[in-house]
Amino acid sequence: AQKVTQAQTEISVVEKEDVTLDCVYETRDTTYYLFWYKQPPSGELVFLIRRNSFDEQNEISGRYSWNFQKSTSSFNFTITASQVVDSAVYFCALSDPLGTYKYIFGTGTRLKVLA
Amino acid sequence: GAVVSQHPSRVICKSGTSVKIECRSLDFQATTMFWYRQFPKQSLMLMATSNEGSKATYEQGVEKDKFLINHASLTLSTLTVTSAHPEDSSFYICSASHGMEQYFGPGTRLTVT
Repeated sequence: AQKVTQAQTEISVVEKEDVTLDCVYETRDTTYYLFWYKQPPSGELVFLIRRNSFDEQNEISGRYSWNFQKSTSSFNFTITASQVVDSAVYFCALSDPLGTYKYIFGTGTRLKVLA
Repeated sequence: GAVVSQHPSRVICKSGTSVKIECRSLDFQATTMFWYRQFPKQSLMLMATSNEGSKATYEQGVEKDKFLINHASLTLSTLTVTSAHPEDSSFYICSASHGMEQYFGPGTRLTVT
């Protein structure tokens, strides 16, 4: 069975601090996608990144970076120099692109960045 | 590209009435659409998968007679909450598949009074 675990329910940081959001997944598939989405108070999901299971290179996009490690089944997300506008709920998700296309979401991490 | 819209964005209805939510893929054709429900401060839970021209596949525990899904065209799927009750109040999000990815709509906030 597929599962995504985001153990951190809520994190509070002070502006300009770095913060890492953890994501651990379980799957028996060899081909899969991992995603991170941001959900601000408006509710609309904002796509941040997609990573396929064959690409373990870390990625950096501005203040955002992602660390994908298949050995530990983790796909962690780091925000450098956090800003108040980063306050949102962040979801990690896993999909089976060769089968059902279903997305399995983690429970989300609520990030509060304090000024 | 790959834009998905939902209508309405917010709806309030009285207990016992039915409400329809539309999900449209604006610039692509989607053979498969998905419906999710999100309760406050909780994750997105998949309710059903709908394929154009066929019956929807519901996840375990989701009442198919209460949540009617119609996917009549490659760009439109509808979710009808029948005989809504206050416990059906939630945020409903649809997504449409394009290639190997899903593109999410902005969501519909349903409040049943």
